[in-house]
Amino acid sequence: DAGVTQSPTHLIKTRGQQVTLRCSPKSGHDTVSWYQQALGQGPQFIFQYYEEEERQRGNFPDRFSGHQFPNYSSELNVNALLLGDSALYLCASSLISVLEGNEQYFGPGTRLTVT
Amino acid sequence: AQSVTQPDIHITVSEGASLELRCNYSYGATPYLFWYVQSPGQGLQLLLKYFSGDTLVQGIKGFEAEFKRSQSSFNLRKPSVHWSDAAEYFCAVGARGGGSQGNLIFGKGTKLSVKP
Repeated sequence: DAGVTQSPTHLIKTRGQQVTLRCSPKSGHDTVSWYQQALGQGPQFIFQYYEEEERQRGNFPDRFSGHQFPNYSSELNVNALLLGDSALYLCASSLISVLEGNEQYFGPGTRLTVT
Repeated sequence: AQSVTQPDIHITVSEGASLELRCNYSYGATPYLFWYVQSPGQGLQLLLKYFSGDTLVQGIKGFEAEFKRSQSSFNLRKPSVHWSDAAEYFCAVGARGGGSQGNLIFGKGTKLSVKP
């Protein structure tokens, strides 16, 4: 049973460029959440996708956008990259129908470096 | 505002010694509570979770945590630490039910070093 997978593992971009990160959820999961983890910090919630729609969003600018596909996989897009966007981006999947006891399974992350 | 505080940034313990990592939360109601572990360059692995019932929860790798409502705490413990436990530990809270499930709030983490 494959867990949450993310690609690429590492990425180096230049300020002002755009980047797309990809996530495949754990088998059987229908919900994907994205988190940003800056160096030395805990993960911060960016947004969550379910049924191909953004259900909830954290305190991130519109430069951060996402998409969920019919197979539940997801993409995170960041436009006009800033140096401060350098971080580990974590994808987590869960099953929305489980109203109690829901938990999120995390992927290994994508390390984004903006120069 | 909802928040999680992990007061200890870095803790060093000797192998075989006991461990307690502190976590305090600020939340309007009783939240879901989690402890995750992160090895260098890796994602997060769930150690244990509290949703309801017995306030002492058992997790993987010999870890346990106790929910104390009166102290708004959810401290992680292990009776005997192994060198492989060296990692960063994150406490997190999540809302109960409905559309708020996606939003886990994390503390800043506690880095655990283990002396031989």
